[in-house]
Amino acid sequence: GQQLNQSPQSMFIQEGEDVSMNCTSSSIFNTWLWYKQDPGEGPVLLIALYKAGELTSNGRLTAQFGITRKDSFLNISASIPSDVGIYFCAGGSPGANSKLTFGKGITLSVRP
Amino acid sequence: DSGVTQTPKHLITATGQRVTLRCSPRSGDLSVYWYQQSLDQGLQFLIQYYNGEERAKGNILERFSAQQFPDLHSELNLSSLELGDSALYFCASSGTKTGGPYNEQFFGPGTRLTVL
Repeated sequence: GQQLNQSPQSMFIQEGEDVSMNCTSSSIFNTWLWYKQDPGEGPVLLIALYKAGELTSNGRLTAQFGITRKDSFLNISASIPSDVGIYFCAGGSPGANSKLTFGKGITLSVRP
Repeated sequence: DSGVTQTPKHLITATGQRVTLRCSPRSGDLSVYWYQQSLDQGLQFLIQYYNGEERAKGNILERFSAQQFPDLHSELNLSSLELGDSALYFCASSGTKTGGPYNEQFFGPGTRLTVL
């Protein structure tokens, strides 16, 4: 089945630093999405990407849909303590029957 | 607030019991998805319903079942519960009568199930 690879499992950065995470797949997806999950809460959609090569920003977050359609990256600039959480990538295919395939997530820690 | 509601927030029960988790999707969303998240595990897709019909199945055990009602709310039934069923269960919704984007799933706050 389809699998998304996110590594490393955990990242530790200093407040104010930029951080980049990527997500790779052996399969092509038509949509890439990035979610953030706080402890004990549901994942929250950060950015959705629909076109190969697309670069989209949401505040300090920037994500890109890879040209091959098999990868995506998320960049967080000038990190702050509330950026702590688990970041999931997800790939999707078009249509009402579509389900998302999720990566295992990267746990981000931000040191003050 | 995603607009997706789930009840109860917490559920503690014993092995062998049966429980029902409830989800109300965002207003107008036709698709409902159920996920299981255990410690050290990512989001495991269980099942999808679209406008009352089952559309996709993931790693859902035979002891688990779900349905979506005419008002579009959904219930996930877990029976013969085992210790390993302890997890967070999330519902997500997407897609409206006027079209997508179907891939943008919005998650509820989850139900934390503890089986003792």
